[in-house]
Amino acid sequence: GEKVEQHESTLSVREGDSAVINCTYTDTASSYFPWYKQEAGKSLHFVIDIRSNVDRKQSQRLTVLLDKKAKRFSLHITATQPEDSAIYFCAASMNSGTYQRFGTGTKLQVVP
Amino acid sequence: DMKVTQMPRYLIKRMGENVLLECGQDMSHETMYWYRQDPGLGLQLIYISYDVDSNSEGDIPKGYRVSRKKREHFSLILDSAKTNQTSVYFCASSRDFSSAETLYFGSGTRLTVL
Repeated sequence: GEKVEQHESTLSVREGDSAVINCTYTDTASSYFPWYKQEAGKSLHFVIDIRSNVDRKQSQRLTVLLDKKAKRFSLHITATQPEDSAIYFCAASMNSGTYQRFGTGTKLQVVP
Repeated sequence: DMKVTQMPRYLIKRMGENVLLECGQDMSHETMYWYRQDPGLGLQLIYISYDVDSNSEGDIPKGYRVSRKKREHFSLILDSAKTNQTSVYFCASSRDFSSAETLYFGSGTRLTVL
């Protein structure tokens, strides 16, 4: 089955800098790639997603890039703020018929 | 209001006791999920429910069972809890399973099995 890997377990950036979190997946049939954010002591909530028919999607300060050839996708956060500090989980699934499999999470710390 | 509600938030049980975790959603979502979250392992799917009385095992179903008798309600049962089931359990829902959809998560239940 699909295996999703997040390569950075922790990431520290200075406030105002950019952060990049990378994920890889194994199943070439995967076509839906969401990202979720978990603030300390709280639940997960959806932040942004990308489908395989595009290779880039932006929502305000968040951009997701998808490289299908390399089976890699990444979350880019620009102009980071303290409230961006959280654990970010990537996930992957097919467009239908499979459930989302998650990476192990990247803890992003934005330092003033 | 779009919400997934989990009860209880914290639970301490002794090994061998039965555990019932409950989850509700008010979005009429067809599909519901139970995940557990452990440090370094991310989220692992225990069970998925496609609709009432239509459940399937996820990646780690051993030691768990589920019940879904109403679309808005999905329960996770641990018969004779074990210490390695100490974890944070998240319920989630999505509109349906026929197309990839955003998951909506509950607030989680932190279960400690002594």
